[in-house]
Amino acid sequence: SAVISQKPSRDICQRGTSLTIQCQVDSQVTMMFWYRQQPGQSLTLIATANQGSEATYESGFVIDKFPISRPNLTFSTLTVSNMSPEDSSIYLCSVENGAGGFFGPGTRLTVL
Amino acid sequence: KQEVTQIPAALSVPEGENLVLNCSFTDSAIYNLQWFRQDPGKGLTSLLLIQSSQREQTSGRLNASLDKSSGRSTLYIAASQPGDSATYLCAVIGAFNKFYFGSGTKLNVKP
Repeated sequence: SAVISQKPSRDICQRGTSLTIQCQVDSQVTMMFWYRQQPGQSLTLIATANQGSEATYESGFVIDKFPISRPNLTFSTLTVSNMSPEDSSIYLCSVENGAGGFFGPGTRLTVL
Repeated sequence: KQEVTQIPAALSVPEGENLVLNCSFTDSAIYNLQWFRQDPGKGLTSLLLIQSSQREQTSGRLNASLDKSSGRSTLYIAASQPGDSATYLCAVIGAFNKFYFGSGTKLNVKP
């Protein structure tokens, strides 16, 4: 298994500002994933973060809006930039290690 | 693009009932399938992982089946309890370890 922690657990932000979410894994992993869960909906993959290379973004998500860092094999950050109320969601990071997917507890973001 | 559908969207049953949650997916080229539960305001808890070569997995009162050729999986919960109340998510795992999630089944087990 893998244990994943995220910071912050929740935040309330003003429109136009940016928030950086941190994700820490207790073991080294090649790929880390960032997901968004909008209110009442299921999870949608934002991007895949590989150590030492640029993140790969899914259709509908761009680097300028969601820049990602992956400085080592146990840590990643996701920034939500120039926020609007439509960005209010839960953001989750995850890893997959052959024993299935493991997800962090999520960061609940509210944008006013 | 992989599409994952879960039926029903919501289910309310009395305590003690056996129940089945359904998941279907459009692209049978999957690596694994995983069932999760999500409690309100919480993250995801893994329930069962079925590898593509397997037909089913069991854990306690839970049994999950997989039929890749027909693009279907079921999660069977035996003798349901109020503590089972949660949203159940089905996810198929495709290339590059990407997860594709269904919209979930919200289960309420009444005491």
